Amino acid sequence: QKEVEQNSGPLSVPEGAIASLNCTYSDRGSQSFFWYRQYSGKSPELIMFIYSNGDKEDGRFTAQLNKASQYVSLLIRDSQPSDSATYLCAIPGGGYQKVTFGTGTKLQVIP
Amino acid sequence: DGGITQSPKYLFRKEGQNVTLSCEQNLNHDAMYWYRQDPGQGLRLIYYSQIVNDFQKGDIAEGYSVSREKKESFPLTVTSAQKNPTAFYLCASKEDSRQETQYFGPGTRLLVL
Repeated sequence: QKEVEQNSGPLSVPEGAIASLNCTYSDRGSQSFFWYRQYSGKSPELIMFIYSNGDKEDGRFTAQLNKASQYVSLLIRDSQPSDSATYLCAIPGGGYQKVTFGTGTKLQVIP
Repeated sequence: DGGITQSPKYLFRKEGQNVTLSCEQNLNHDAMYWYRQDPGQGLRLIYYSQIVNDFQKGDIAEGYSVSREKKESFPLTVTSAQKNPTAFYLCASKEDSRQETQYFGPGTRLLVL
């Protein structure tokens, strides 16, 4: 059974700072990972997909994957109040299998 | 517009009542999924369907039923056997087995009167 662990937060950062969100996973065989952003009362929105060790950058977002240590992180540079949301780490299932989600970390960016 | 639609946005259920949540997609995706989200918990899989007229139970299928008569549609019925139905219900779809990403609809919030 795959498990994904996240600190529920809230993580509070001042506007303009770097927000660092972390996620650990139990299945050493997991190959790829998602980061979803979920605003309060809304559905999750995919923001990053990473499958290789190292960093993947997309605008202000950088996903980092360390398979040896079994953790994935998401860095948000120049954090904005509009980044305030819950961030879900997730592992895709192979084929048609389910996505396994963490419980999410709530991020608050303080103006 | 391509996407996934869910209706209604809010749904109220009376004791002992069955209610049906709608999910429609025009993305021509093969697979569709129903998840339930409770506060402080991750999304949990209720049912999924890979193909028309076929579906499989997820981790928390008890008290729920589904049908997949058309590729575009995957309605979820919350039966009276589901004793704690209050939650946010999310429908998702996936293009085919080679793709990793699931895309979500806007969700339905179910409340018990």
